[in-house]
Amino acid sequence: GENVEQHPSTLSVQEGDSAVIKCTYSDSASNYFPWYKQELGKGPQLIIDIRSNVGEKKDQRIAVTLNKTAKHFSLHITETQPEDSAVYFCAASIFGGGADGLTFGKGTHLIIQP
Amino acid sequence: GAGVSQSPSNKVTEKGKDVELRCDPISGHTALYWYRQSLGQGLEFLIYFQGNSAPDKSGLPSDRFSAERTGGSVSTLTIQRTQQEDSAVYLCASSLDFTGQETQYFGPGTRLLVL
Repeated sequence: GENVEQHPSTLSVQEGDSAVIKCTYSDSASNYFPWYKQELGKGPQLIIDIRSNVGEKKDQRIAVTLNKTAKHFSLHITETQPEDSAVYFCAASIFGGGADGLTFGKGTHLIIQP
Repeated sequence: GAGVSQSPSNKVTEKGKDVELRCDPISGHTALYWYRQSLGQGLEFLIYFQGNSAPDKSGLPSDRFSAERTGGSVSTLTIQRTQQEDSAVYLCASSLDFTGQETQYFGPGTRLLVL
């Protein structure tokens, strides 16, 4: 089955700087890659996703890039703010769900230093 | 509109007891998913419902775990004879359908502690 590796496990950046989180996946058939943000005591919230027919997607301060050949994808957050502090999870799936569900990385704890 | 809701939000039980966790998906969502999140770990996929049917139950950790969905809406995850290793956050998600790359919306989770 699919295996997703996520790095780093903890990332501390100064407010206003950029943060980058990287994930690799093992199944070349995977074609849907969402990113979730999880705040303490809450369920994960989708922040951005990308499908395998595009290489990059941007939404305001957040962007995701996908390299299908290398089987890795990254989350980029620019101009970080205190409210960006949370745990971020990447995930991959073949059909975006269905019988296989989403396979998640182990998460990155992002700390924004004031 | 209302999001995915789960109850109870917290559950403390004694080893060997049975527990029932409930999920109310977003109205109109036909697909429903259960995940387990252990401390410091990512989310582990357990089972998925397509309407009231669960095509594949192999993701359930053991035969002590079962799940059902009725009326294409509410789902219940039951853990029989709970063990301490069952302690985790159990998350439910729903999506509009299961045919494409649909966004999964998560509930707040049920935090289960087995003493």
